[in-house]
Amino acid sequence: DAGVIQSPRHEVTEMGQEVTLRCKPISGHNSLFWYRQTMMRGLELLIYFNNNVPIDDSGMPEDRFSAKMPNASFSTLKIQPSEPRDSAVYFCASGTKNIQYFGAGTRLSVL
Amino acid sequence: DQQVKQNSPSLSVQEGRISILNCDYTNSMFDYFLWYKKYPAEGPTFLISISSIKDKNEDGRFTVFLNKSAKHLSLHIVPSQPGDSAVYFCAASNGGSQGNLIFGKGTKLSVKP
Repeated sequence: DAGVIQSPRHEVTEMGQEVTLRCKPISGHNSLFWYRQTMMRGLELLIYFNNNVPIDDSGMPEDRFSAKMPNASFSTLKIQPSEPRDSAVYFCASGTKNIQYFGAGTRLSVL
Repeated sequence: DQQVKQNSPSLSVQEGRISILNCDYTNSMFDYFLWYKKYPAEGPTFLISISSIKDKNEDGRFTVFLNKSAKHLSLHIVPSQPGDSAVYFCAASNGGSQGNLIFGKGTKLSVKP
């Protein structure tokens, strides 16, 4: 298996633009997680899905953030409109039971 | 309120010596603990884990120790190698959370040749 695949690896956009991050989890994993990593706050869980259903989105910072998982092999995290403070590395992870496997991340820069 | 704390932001060790990374937690409901390693520009990689019913788990050069009464766990790397230089994250979960992990902020380990 190729592991968790995230795209794009890098995204540079201007404030106010819509940003969509994509994730393909490992086949057979029933849980999918979106994290944000910043220097100040470390790794923060934004939202996670179990069997494609959102279970806990309490980590989503505000209504500008939304996530979907239309099927077991694809998820998106959307920021609309984006702001400079959204600049961070966003990780997607998939897992089964207690162990999560991470993608390489998307480095987002909002200018 | 940090439920998982790694109080040392960085650690420097000589090659061949032991590296000890520490982690404290506050939630007594946590029953599974993990260590992840992260290289720059990569995602965290699972390293080793331990269930709360055990106090030690060993995998090659890596050993995790759990002290439930102190709510403390540690990762020992023996012998340390330059390739071990990375950021190490401690994480914890409880069985009812469907795999949701709470991460510490990480410790940057530097192993010098």
